[in-house]
Amino acid sequence: NAGVMQNPRHLVRRRGQEARLRCSPMKGHSHVYWYRQLPEEGLKFMVYLQKENIIDESGMPKERFSAEFPKEGPSILRIQQVVRGDSAAYFCASSPAMRAQETQYFGPGTRLLVL
Amino acid sequence: DQQVKQNSPSLSVQEGRISILNCDYTNSMFDYFLWYKKYPAEGPTFLISISSIKDKNEDGRFTVFLNKSAKHLSLHIVPSQPGDSAVYFCAGGSSSNTGKLIFGQGTTLQVKP
Repeated sequence: NAGVMQNPRHLVRRRGQEARLRCSPMKGHSHVYWYRQLPEEGLKFMVYLQKENIIDESGMPKERFSAEFPKEGPSILRIQQVVRGDSAAYFCASSPAMRAQETQYFGPGTRLLVL
Repeated sequence: DQQVKQNSPSLSVQEGRISILNCDYTNSMFDYFLWYKKYPAEGPTFLISISSIKDKNEDGRFTVFLNKSAKHLSLHIVPSQPGDSAVYFCAGGSSSNTGKLIFGQGTTLQVKP
C-alpha cells in the first residue's frame, strides 16, 4: 500500500518564478493537509482540502499561494512569484475521513529553494 | 502564539536507557495529541497518539502520558535504541476544529551506542 507521494522532492526556483508542488494521498484517503516547515522550526499548517473543496485555508498566506484538490489527480500547492522567504520544506499529509482524532500520514516533502 | 511548546531542543541518552521527551500546550480546545518522528530529508512518521480522555497510552517501547491539569504530555521510549535518533514532534488537535494539527518546534534525540 503506497504511502503519501509528493513530487518533486527538490525544487529550485529563481525569484519571481512559479512553484508547483504535487501530493497524491494514500489510497482510500480523501483528505489532504499541507504544512510548511521553515528551517529550525516545527511544521505550520497551511491548508486542508477535500476533493474539489477547500475546507480550511486559515494558514495560507493571503497572496501568491493557492491550493487545489481536483476530482481527478493530485493535490497541487501553487506559489506564484516566489521570494527567498518561501524556501522551506512543504509536507502533505492525508487522512481517510474527517472523523474526530483521525491520524494524518505524511509524505516525504518537497524542499523548495528560491535563489 | 506558540500553542505547543517543546522546550528542550535536544536530548542525549545512552542506548538501553529511558528517553523522556516533553511537550507543553496552552490551547484548552486540544482533545487529542500525536507524536511524530522525523529523520532528515524525510517526512514525519506517526508514532503514537493519545485522546484527552486518557492519561496514558502505550505501544511497545513507546508510552505517552498526558497531564491535562498541567497541560503537559511526555513521550517515554524504553529501552532507547540508536535507531531512535531523530527529531520528535508533538502535535495537538481539536475535534471541534477542522483537524489541522498544531506542532511543537521539535526535540532532537540522540541515542548513543
